[in-house]
Amino acid sequence: QVQLQESGPGLVKPSETLSLTCDVFGYSISSGYYWGWIRQSPGKGLELIGNIYYSGTTYYNLSLKSRVTISLDTSRNQFSLKLTSVTAADTAVYYCARAYSSGLETYYDYWGQGTLVTVSS
Amino acid sequence: QSVLTQPPSVSGAPGQRVTISCTGSSSDIGAGYDVQWYQQLPGTAPKLLVYGNNNRPSGVPERFSASKSGTSASLAIAGLQAEDEADYYCQSYHSTLSGSGVLFGGGTRVTVL
Repeated sequence: QVQLQESGPGLVKPSETLSLTCDVFGYSISSGYYWGWIRQSPGKGLELIGNIYYSGTTYYNLSLKSRVTISLDTSRNQFSLKLTSVTAADTAVYYCARAYSSGLETYYDYWGQGTLVTVSS
Repeated sequence: QSVLTQPPSVSGAPGQRVTISCTGSSSDIGAGYDVQWYQQLPGTAPKLLVYGNNNRPSGVPERFSASKSGTSASLAIAGLQAEDEADYYCQSYHSTLSGSGVLFGGGTRVTVL
């Protein structure tokens, strides 16, 4: 069974960098699939931050692209998110997830439990 | 990033059938991209409910069904149960967005009366 688990600081100061890690269990991230970060602001819907293919190619939400970096660490079987220059608008629950994508079909089949990150001084 | 349009809420009595619509455009659902549906129970992560327009992952009850036509899709819940009270999100792909074209709907809150 594939499991994902997010970790990182729950509180980040404005203008600083948000850093999260997603540990993957039950599947080697270097074997395939896309690996993504999705966030949900309080009381709001889901927003894709970006995906990284197992080869290392990244795909970012255009509205966040200038501030986002997603990377893989295959030795630790984890992938990471860095979001720079955060503001209160970046306060959200951050989810990591595995994405299947082929042809006209893209979906997230396994999700982490989510981690709340609050941006505040 | 464009958003797929869903009604904010739907409700029904136990045992009733409810449907949730998801309206897109000719650049996403209408372009042939598959539609997925996720269920998010209160305080939990989203769970894949339907993929590839109308396929249920193992363990998802048959009373959840979905369809797609033109630029829209819909999710139906038959025999509504109290445990179905949750937020439901549709998801597809937008062909003209460079970078990642994954789109989510705004979500629909299903309330069991």
